[in-house]
Order: sequence, then C-alpha cells, then structure tokens
Amino acid sequence: EVQLLESGGGFIQPGGSLRLSCAASGFTFSSYAMSWVRQAPGKGLEWVSGISGSGVSIYYADSVKGRFTISRDNSKNTLNLQMNSVRAGDTALYYCAIWYYYDGSDYSHFLDYWGQGALVTVSS
Amino acid sequence: DIQMTQSPSSLSASVGDRVTITCRAGQSVIAYLNWYQHKPGKAPKVLIYAASNLQSGVPSRFSGSGSGTHFTLTINSLQPEDFATYYCQQTYSTPPTFGGGTKVEIK
Repeated sequence: EVQLLESGGGFIQPGGSLRLSCAASGFTFSSYAMSWVRQAPGKGLEWVSGISGSGVSIYYADSVKGRFTISRDNSKNTLNLQMNSVRAGDTALYYCAIWYYYDGSDYSHFLDYWGQGALVTVSS
Repeated sequence: DIQMTQSPSSLSASVGDRVTITCRAGQSVIAYLNWYQHKPGKAPKVLIYAASNLQSGVPSRFSGSGSGTHFTLTINSLQPEDFATYYCQQTYSTPPTFGGGTKVEIK
C-alpha cells in the first residue's frame, strides 16, 4: 500500500526557515517524480515544486523560487522541502504527492497518491 | 503561467442530478488536462487525466471532455459521496496550474 507521511509543519515567524519531510513507502520511491502542492486556508490548490526520480530535474513555482528548495534522499525514501524567508502568504497545508507520468511525454502527468498534509503557519 | 478558470465556483445539486463543471485555459493546453476531487480533511484524488481518461477505480458516472482551451467534467447521477470540491489542472506547461475549484454542495 502506498503511503506518504508529511512531517515538520508548525508555527514560524516571517523571515524564518522550516523543513518539511515526506516519508514514502509501498512503492519504489526512486522510480517516481514527486511534488509538493499547498492549499492556503479557504483557497484552492497551488503546485509548489517538483523533482524527478533521480533528483536531477527540479522545478518551482515562481511564488517560491529562490526561497524554497526541494530535495530527495532515495536511500531513505524521503522527500524534503526546505522553506526559507517564509512569508504570511506561505501559510498553508502542504501535501506531498507522487508526480506520475503515464507515457513518455513531458506533458503527460498527474498527481497520483497524496499524503494527508503538513500545516505551516507563518505569523508574528 | 497558464491561467485556469473554472465555473461555477460553487453549485448546489441534489442526489441523482447531472452536474457539469467547466474549465477554461488561458491558452491551448491540447488535452493535457486533469480533474481532481477534494473532500475536507482528505487527500485530493485524481478522477480524469488527459481530458477524458478515467483513472482506475473511479466510478463511470464521472466523465471528462474537451480540448484546446475548453474542458468539462460531468457527473451523471450525483451520489452523496460526490459532494466535494473539484479542480482542473493543466500539465501542458510548467508550473502545472490548477483552476480555482468548484464546490459541489447538497441542495
């Protein structure tokens, strides 16, 4: 059974740093790209960042580029999101998800399994 | 970034109704369009990928259609478990952007 368990959420002051982790099990972690998606209170879904199975290809939304860093440790089946210089607008429930490519095209993908989310609250 | 616009933002419907949700892209996304269902306190779930392909395990009352900039999600014979928020997502360009969501509520 595929399981994704986020951790590391909490309260943080503006300008501070926080590291989210996602522990994966039930599938061959290194074979799959992974993504972070967030949902601010009362708002919709926002894709944040993605990383290929090897970790070589990395992508960010403009809203977090230069502040957040995605990484993965395939030996530990763990996905990470280092959040620096956080702002009030980063307050959200952060989900990790398997970024599944259903054929060989760069465009053919969807977010398959999702975790339950880690809540990050940025407030002074 | 490609802007995705859903309509309506919310709707009220009864069990057994046919519901249609529209998603428009700011530019053509060919057919690289997914639909997700999100219930409060639960993880989102993919329903449709590539505009019209039903994800494994999803009931056949869900269907998707469209191409280019105009897409629809249809739920035939709405069931009690279908009350949720639905999102479209384009994957033609990075970042893969979501629509604002459509909340389907009980009438």
